[in-house]
Amino acid sequence: KAGVTQTPRYLIKTRGQQVTLSCSPISGHRSVSWYQQTPGQGLQFLFEYFSETQRNKGNFPGRFSGRQFSNSRSEMNVSTLELGDSALYLCASSTDRGTNEKLFFGSGTQLSVL
Amino acid sequence: AQSVTQLGSHVSVSEGALVLLRCNYSSSVPPYLFWYVQYPNQGLQLLLKYTTGATLVKGINGFEAEFKKSETSFHLTKPSAHMSDAAEYFCAVSSGGSYIPTFGRGTSLIVHP
Repeated sequence: KAGVTQTPRYLIKTRGQQVTLSCSPISGHRSVSWYQQTPGQGLQFLFEYFSETQRNKGNFPGRFSGRQFSNSRSEMNVSTLELGDSALYLCASSTDRGTNEKLFFGSGTQLSVL
Repeated sequence: AQSVTQLGSHVSVSEGALVLLRCNYSSSVPPYLFWYVQYPNQGLQLLLKYTTGATLVKGINGFEAEFKKSETSFHLTKPSAHMSDAAEYFCAVSSGGSYIPTFGRGTSLIVHP
């Protein structure tokens, strides 16, 4: 069974640009979550999608958005990039059978904003 | 509300020595607790989790953790460190019907030969 796939692996953008990151969850997983990981802040929850609906949202500005498609694949978009958006963005999927279910993480997209 | 505190952003041990990574949680209801490991340039993978029942939980790669309700702790241990254990370790808690676990800031484990 294929794992969680994130593309691209690396991205370099400049301030003011926008970026779209993609995540394909494990087959059969309907819940997809996004996290921002930085050395100073650790893992910060961005949002979670389930059945094409945003079910939970973290404390990030509106520049961060996402969506989920009918096949459970998810994208996140960051508009008007800032230097502080440089981070590893991790996507995780789960079976959504309960709150004790583990998350399966992708390898992440490393975003550098210059 | 739930939160996690990992004591020590870096822990350094010698190969063969005991590994102890500390995690304390805060939760108003019985929690589910997790330890994840992140190797360089990879995502996180689950080491072990506590849901209910036995408070000593065994995970992969020889790691184990003990849930202590009275101390609100879930410390991770391994009797003998290997060089391959060098990685970032994250403690996480979920509770109260929340599908979103809260992660600690992580502890970097350094293993010296």
